[in-house]
Amino acid sequence: EVQLVESGGGLVKPGGSLRLSCAASEFTFSSYTMNWVRQAPGKGLEWVSSISSTSSHIYYADSMKGRFTISRDNAKKSLYLQLNSLRAEDTAVYYCARGSVTTLTTHFDYWGQGTLVTVSS
Amino acid sequence: DIVLTQSPATLSLSPGERATLSCRASQSVSSYLAWYQQKPGQAPRLLIYDASNRATGIPARFSGSGSGTDFTLTISSLEPDDFAVYYCQHRGNWPPFTFGQGTKLEIK
Repeated sequence: EVQLVESGGGLVKPGGSLRLSCAASEFTFSSYTMNWVRQAPGKGLEWVSSISSTSSHIYYADSMKGRFTISRDNAKKSLYLQLNSLRAEDTAVYYCARGSVTTLTTHFDYWGQGTLVTVSS
Repeated sequence: DIVLTQSPATLSLSPGERATLSCRASQSVSSYLAWYQQKPGQAPRLLIYDASNRATGIPARFSGSGSGTDFTLTISSLEPDDFAVYYCQHRGNWPPFTFGQGTKLEIK
């Protein structure tokens, strides 16, 4: 069965940085668009970023552009999210989610269990 | 930007009853509308994609419908495991992915 396992979350001070990882297994990782979605405590879901299978297309939500960097290593079957200049409002569970094999992802069919990022002094 | 508004915010029903959850878009959208179920402490689970297609392994009591600005998730006969929060999500041009604020389905 498809598995996505996030890691790298933790407590960081405002202005700090973190690197999240998502290890994928049981599917052909290199064929799929991958995504990060976050959820602040007690709140709804918010799309963060997407990366195409070959990293040729990368997109960010406006509020994260310039601070977050998505990347992937297909050989290692891993997805990453570098979080810089963190703010209190970035506190959330960050989920790794699988998109599609086509260029048009319309939904997320598998999700990891999430990793919690807490930004606080 | 397209805004997805889900209603009601909370729906109180009993097992065996029919649940109807609404997702309304601020403007006419494509049929790239998905529904997710999320239980406390768990990741979202895909239920419906492209407005009416059930995801792999999703029971037939879950169905999706709608077009234009109005979409509906229907659970024909609620089971105890169905009480959770439900989100709709649209794939648009920009931003590419928008979520509704969620409907909490609780046991009456």
